[in-house]
Amino acid sequence: DAKTTQPNSMESNEEEPVHLPCNHSTISGTDYIHWYRQLPSQGPEYVIHGLTSNVNNRMASLAIAEDRKSSTLILHRATLRDAAVYYCILRDTSGTYKYIFGTGTRLKVLA
Amino acid sequence: GAVVSQHPSWVICKSGTSVKIECRSLDFQATTMFWYRQFPKQSLMLMATSNEGSKATYEQGVEKDKFLINHASLTLSTLTVTSAHPEDSSFYICSATLAGGAYEQYFGPGTRLTVT
Repeated sequence: DAKTTQPNSMESNEEEPVHLPCNHSTISGTDYIHWYRQLPSQGPEYVIHGLTSNVNNRMASLAIAEDRKSSTLILHRATLRDAAVYYCILRDTSGTYKYIFGTGTRLKVLA
Repeated sequence: GAVVSQHPSWVICKSGTSVKIECRSLDFQATTMFWYRQFPKQSLMLMATSNEGSKATYEQGVEKDKFLINHASLTLSTLTVTSAHPEDSSFYICSATLAGGAYEQYFGPGTRLTVT
C-alpha cells in the first residue's frame, strides 16, 4: 500500500490561507489522492480528491505536483471551524479501494 | 446525499459480553463498507472490508472470530465485538462506498465502545 507523509501539526491565523503538504513518493499511476478531515469524536469528513490536475471545490483547493509525488491542500481562509486533523490518503485502485490512513496533520487555527 | 449512520453512538458493556454496532447507508446503496478502529490520539486503523453478500476481508492482525462482520444488504453492515475486553474499548467507525460510483468513502459518525 502506498504511504503518505504529513507534518504532525500546523498552526494558522484565522482568515489567512493554509497550505497543508503531503508527500506520497511511492504513488502509482492510478492512485487517487484524497483528503479528509476529522473533528474530535467524529468520523472523517470528505474534503477533496484528485488524480493529476489541480482541483477546486467549495471547501478547498488541491494542488498536485507534476510528478504526483506530493500534493498540497489549500484552505483559502481558515476559520476556527477548520481546526481538525487533516488526512491525505492514496486510494488503492488495485481492486480493494481501501484507504490506509497516515498520521495526519493537526491544524490549529488561532483567533 | 451520501449519509452514513451508526448505531449506537456510544455503548458501555461488561467484560465478556458481546456488542453489535450497525452501519447504515441512508440514501444510497453501498456495495462495499469498511470498518475502522481508532484509539485516542491515534489515526484510523482499517479492520476489515465488507462486501454485500460475501465474507469480509480482514486486515492482518485483526481477529475475525472476535470481530464478526455481516453485510447482509446494500444498506446495512454490522460489526459484533464478541467476548469484549477492556482493551477493545475504542472508537469504531464505518464507511461506505457508492455502488457504481467513483469509490469515495463516506464515513459514519463513529461508535464509542467502553468495556468495563
